[in-house]
Amino acid sequence: AQSVSQHNHHVILSEAASLELGCNYSYGGTVNLFWYVQYPGQHLQLLLKYFSGDPLVKGIKGFEAEFIKSKFSFNLRKPSVQWSDTAEYFCAVNGLNRDDKIIFGKGTRLHILP
Amino acid sequence: NAGVTQTPKFRVLKTGQSMTLLCAQDMNHEYMYWYRQDPGMGLRLIHYSVGEGTTAKGEVPDGYNVSRLKKQNFLLGLESAAPSQTSVYFCASSHRGLEQYFGPGTRLTVT
Repeated sequence: AQSVSQHNHHVILSEAASLELGCNYSYGGTVNLFWYVQYPGQHLQLLLKYFSGDPLVKGIKGFEAEFIKSKFSFNLRKPSVQWSDTAEYFCAVNGLNRDDKIIFGKGTRLHILP
Repeated sequence: NAGVTQTPKFRVLKTGQSMTLLCAQDMNHEYMYWYRQDPGMGLRLIHYSVGEGTTAKGEVPDGYNVSRLKKQNFLLGLESAAPSQTSVYFCASSHRGLEQYFGPGTRLTVT
């Protein structure tokens, strides 16, 4: 069955700490991968995406993610977090066919201590 | 461009009442989606549409109906609201199946 698993439901870090949020997926065939961010009280916004090519992708606000095909993983990283990164982060995957639906993980709530 | 807009932003319904949520997008996207977001459950797909005049069921379609009469609009209807439908509803659109653009959400409370 198609699924996306985010290992950490709630992460608390201090400012300037490094961040890595795990994401593993189960989806047959070639996939597109996404990380979305939802700031408190707001809607989801695209953070970064991977379609093909260099497996290390860079997104907005200093975030990056690495696609490791052999591990079915797409982990999100940031070397030094800021208080303003407090948000919920969602990993998502979809296939390339017209009827393929995007599957979202259940989200990781990140809380940055000032 | 306004992107994706949703109407209304908030609504309180009594059990058994009906309502329609309106989603509009001005990006000429073919695909549109309705999700509900509940604490600890992430986003769950209710219904989606891959083009004008077409709709399909998602993960949690029961109790909801949708219509896509115009390419830019996607309506979500609740015929007889239940407390279990208290949630935040997000609409999204995308060009084919690529990245989705989300609306600001509708917070619905059913008492």
